[in-house]
Amino acid sequence: QKEVEQNSGPLSVPEGAIASLNCTYSDRGSQSFFWYRQYSGKSPELIMSIYSNGDKEDGRFTAQLNKASQYVSLLIRDSQPSDSATYLCAGMNNNAGNMLTFGGGTRLMVKP
Amino acid sequence: ETGVTQTPRHLVMGMTNKKSLKCEQHLGHNAMYWYKQSAKKPLELMFVYSLEERVENNSVPSRFSPECPNSSHLFLHLHTLQPEDSALYLCASSPGGWAEQYFGPGTRLTVT
Repeated sequence: QKEVEQNSGPLSVPEGAIASLNCTYSDRGSQSFFWYRQYSGKSPELIMSIYSNGDKEDGRFTAQLNKASQYVSLLIRDSQPSDSATYLCAGMNNNAGNMLTFGGGTRLMVKP
Repeated sequence: ETGVTQTPRHLVMGMTNKKSLKCEQHLGHNAMYWYKQSAKKPLELMFVYSLEERVENNSVPSRFSPECPNSSHLFLHLHTLQPEDSALYLCASSPGGWAEQYFGPGTRLTVT
């Protein structure tokens, strides 16, 4: 069973702080990883994609990938109340039909 | 409209009804997907179409029947559903390959 694991939370951070969201995966064949944000009652919205080890930054968001440890993370700097949502981590095994496997999501709450 | 659209946005149906969900993508993508999202469960991949051919069917009950008449349209035909099929049904599309998927707004389905 190929799994992507996330702490369901809620993760509570004060406004302006750094939120750190973590994800582990079991399929060593996974090569592409994605972070989605999902507001309550809405559909997932793509935030970041990462394909190689290291950090990838986009505005206030930084995705980190460590394939040796099978670990993906998302950092949100200067967190805002509007960042409060569920964050979904997904991995793709590019040699297995390019199917995404999603984690259960982490609920983030940013308090003013 | 732009992106990925889904209709209807909400659907209530009895267990003996037959209904269809529609998805349309305006992104020029080659692959389309159906997902089911139930409360407190990870996103579940149901069907994948690549270049209008079904490439994945994740042991989905036969009461769900997909149809992909062209690369821009995807349908999910529903018949004799069960109450446990009540969920948010999400359509997504991608350029294919290693690329990320983009989701539509979803159809909230309630089976009574």
